[in-house]
Amino acid sequence: EVQLLESGGGLVQPGGSLRLSCAASGFTFTNYAMTWVRQAPGKGLEWVSSISNGGSTTYYADSVKGRFTFSRDSSKNTVYLQMNTLRVEDTAVYYCAKGASGWSGDYLDYWGQGTLVTVSS
Amino acid sequence: EIVLTQSPGTLSLSPGERATLSCRASQSVSSIYLAWYQQKSGQAPRLLIYGVSSRATGIPDRFSGSGSGTDFTLTISRLEPEDFAVYYCHHYGGYRPFGQGTKVEI
Repeated sequence: EVQLLESGGGLVQPGGSLRLSCAASGFTFTNYAMTWVRQAPGKGLEWVSSISNGGSTTYYADSVKGRFTFSRDSSKNTVYLQMNTLRVEDTAVYYCAKGASGWSGDYLDYWGQGTLVTVSS
Repeated sequence: EIVLTQSPGTLSLSPGERATLSCRASQSVSSIYLAWYQQKSGQAPRLLIYGVSSRATGIPDRFSGSGSGTDFTLTISRLEPEDFAVYYCHHYGGYRPFGQGTKVEI
């Protein structure tokens, strides 16, 4: 059974940093791309970033480019989203999702339950 | 930049009725890169349809997807009580926008 467990969310002040983690299990981690999608309170889904199965290719939404870094550790079956220079508008539930293949642009076939990030003073 | 516009914003129907949800792209998109997700209140999204019309594992056949170019449709042939939720279309591939969602309510 595929499981994705996000952690690391919390309350942070504007300009601060936070690192989200997503521990994956139930599939061969190195074969699949991973993605972060966020959802602001009461709003729709917004794609944030994707990483290829090997970690060599990453893509970012314009809204987070230069501030967020997506990485993966195959020894721990875990992906990370390092979020720097956080803004109030980054407040959202952040979902980790598994790609359907190793290609970072593929559809998302499994999702975690999400972790809430609140950016506020 | 591709923008996906879903309509209607809210669809009020009864169990047993047919639901037709629309997703329109601002420019022609690769037809094989269109997916639909269902999200129930307080839950993570769940994949329903990928490649415009392929059902994901375990998705009942009352859900179907169709379309091409700029116009795509998700149809729920007979609504079950558990189908009342928010539905999002998603263009994957290069740029990866989601539509703003359609809420299907009783």
